[in-house]
Amino acid sequence: GQNIDQPTEMTATEGAIVQINCTYQTSGFNGLFWYQQHAGEAPTFLSYNVLDGLEEKGRFSSFLSRSKGYSYLLLKELQMKDSASYLCAVFSGGYNKLIFGAGTRLAVHP
Amino acid sequence: ETGVTQSPTHLIKTRGQQVTLRCSSQSGHNTVSWYQQALGQGPQFIFQYYREEENGRGNFPPRFSGLQFPNYSSELNVNALELDDSALYLCAWQGAYEQYFGPGTRLTVT
Repeated sequence: GQNIDQPTEMTATEGAIVQINCTYQTSGFNGLFWYQQHAGEAPTFLSYNVLDGLEEKGRFSSFLSRSKGYSYLLLKELQMKDSASYLCAVFSGGYNKLIFGAGTRLAVHP
Repeated sequence: ETGVTQSPTHLIKTRGQQVTLRCSSQSGHNTVSWYQQALGQGPQFIFQYYREEENGRGNFPPRFSGLQFPNYSSELNVNALELDDSALYLCAWQGAYEQYFGPGTRLTVT
């Protein structure tokens, strides 16, 4: 089966660091994505991991362990505008469909 | 800004009716996917089109159908609407490795 798990909700303080975990079990794997989605808007691309290790991009970093079926998204120096849903998605199948988790709603407080 | 547009933004239909949603891209990519996102859930893959042919389908019934046109536009058609079809419908065009999402169409079925 296809399964992607991530926490439903998280809260954090402005200026802090937060880590959002994602575990996956899929029949194929061609890469893992993190998207940010503000309420009522389209998902926007944050990061892509296809090899094990850490990818850093400004305040955002993403880690992948393929052997463990595990990824995390690390957000540093949190800002109020980072309050959003964060979607973990796996590229799977011969035609590269995206399989999404349910998303993690992050609330950043002053 | 992803260069992907969708119309209409919002739509209200009655159970049993039919609906057509539209999507277009400024990018010139050949592959488009459609997703259904229920409230509080991650997007669910409906189907994918490559060069005007369907080349992958998720777990959706045949009353969900689509078209892709040579001018980098696509349609999603849903027949015999049901209440559970109420959702945000997203289209996404395939880039080098990421998918570029449109802003979505919010469909409400009453």
